Amino acid sequence: KNEVEQSPQNLTAQEGEFITINCSYSVGISALHWLQQHPGGGIVSLFMLSSGKKKHGRLIATINIQEKHSSLHITASHPRDSAVYICAVGTWESNYQLIWGAGTKLIIKP
Amino acid sequence: DTAVSQTPKYLVTQMGNDKSIKCEQNLGHDTMYWYKQDSKKFLKIMFSYNNKELIINETVPNRFSPKSPDKAHLNLHINSLELGDSAVYFCASSHSTTGGKLFFGSGTQLSVL
Repeated sequence: KNEVEQSPQNLTAQEGEFITINCSYSVGISALHWLQQHPGGGIVSLFMLSSGKKKHGRLIATINIQEKHSSLHITASHPRDSAVYICAVGTWESNYQLIWGAGTKLIIKP
Repeated sequence: DTAVSQTPKYLVTQMGNDKSIKCEQNLGHDTMYWYKQDSKKFLKIMFSYNNKELIINETVPNRFSPKSPDKAHLNLHINSLELGDSAVYFCASSHSTTGGKLFFGSGTQLSVL
C-alpha cells in the first residue's frame, strides 16, 4: 500500500461543476503539498499546508491531521483547470523527503 | 524572470553518451532538488542539495552526479546514458529542506536512442 493515496485516479466533469480530489496518507507529516501539472508538463505548486484550510481564487485545500486526509476543491470548474493534480507529503520519518501520490487526472469539458 | 530555469528542454542522444542538464534558481532558496518523472508519471527524488551539501542521495546509479557550483545552481551530469534513463527530469527548489513551497523548472525531456 502506498503511503500517499489519491482518489480518484481520473475525473471527467462538465464546466461549472464543483470538483473534489482526495489525498490520504499514512505517515506523520510536517506539511502536505498540492501541485498541478499541466498537459504541457510544467509543475506548479498550489498549496502547502499543515493544518486547517487555504484558499486561492477558485481553489480550496483542506487538511484533517487526525484523519490523515486532505482534499483539494475547485469551484466553478473551467476547461483550463484540466491537468494532473498531485498530492505530496513531507515527513520527518524519511528525513523530510517528499512522498508523492500518483496524481489525479482531471478533464473539464466545456 | 523565471524563478527556476533548466536547460535544455529537450535532449535526444545516443546510448553511451555523457550529457548534462543545467538548473538555476533566482529565488535565494537554500535547497535544490532533482526529480525523475517516469512513464507512469511518478515523481522520484534523485538528489537534493542544501547550501552545496548533498543531503539526500537516493539509490540512483552512480552514473548520475549532481554538481553545484553555488547555491543558485544544481546541474545534473549523466555518464554512459542507457535506454532506461529516458524520462523527464525536473529541477526544483525550496526555502529549506523542512518547509516551503516547491518551485519547479519546466522539465527536460531526455530521450536515449
